[in-house]
Amino acid sequence: AQRVTQPEKLLSVFKGAPVELKCNYSYSGSPELFWYVQYSRQRLQLLLRHISRESIKGFTADLNKGETSFHLKKPFAQEEDSAMYYCALSGPGGGNKLTFGTGTQLKVEL
Amino acid sequence: GAVVSQHPSRVICKSGTSVKIECRSLDFQATTMFWYRQFPKQSLMLMATSNEGSKATYEQGVEKDKFLINHASLTLSTLTVTSAHPEDSSFYICSASPGTSGGTYNEQFFGPGTRLTVL
Repeated sequence: AQRVTQPEKLLSVFKGAPVELKCNYSYSGSPELFWYVQYSRQRLQLLLRHISRESIKGFTADLNKGETSFHLKKPFAQEEDSAMYYCALSGPGGGNKLTFGTGTQLKVEL
Repeated sequence: GAVVSQHPSRVICKSGTSVKIECRSLDFQATTMFWYRQFPKQSLMLMATSNEGSKATYEQGVEKDKFLINHASLTLSTLTVTSAHPEDSSFYICSASPGTSGGTYNEQFFGPGTRLTVL
């Protein structure tokens, strides 16, 4: 069974500090990994996906198959980064289904 | 960008009544729509996958007769919570995807959610 684990419910950092939101997964195969973000009073939206290898809003995430991790990182946190972040997994042939982690609330303090 | 709407945004109903929630893709055709349930401060749990013109595929533990899903067109899917009870109170979120291409994931676009409260 596929599973996504986000160990931190809440992560509080100061503005300008580095951010790392942890995500580990279990999947017997080659999954596709995503980070979704939900800003206050807004809908869930895709932040980035591992196959794109992009940096979005300064965030990056590298898929580490050896450690089965897909941690989200940003070198310098901004106040507007405060949001709920969900790591998600989709398996090939899974019909596009997403399995979500429990989410991490990121709070960036001034 | 792709927009998905949900209606209503909030609904309060009495126990035993049925409630219908609509999910619409406004500017694209959604081959597949998904329905999720989210409890307070918890993750999104996939309830079912709905493909246009065919029966929905329900996740394990989700009652098909309780949560009726219809995907009659490429832009509309509905979730009907039948004979609702207080334990069905939750936040229901839909998402829509333009479709799958082999094993490649196609992005899901999420609706704003519907808050259901059953008294």
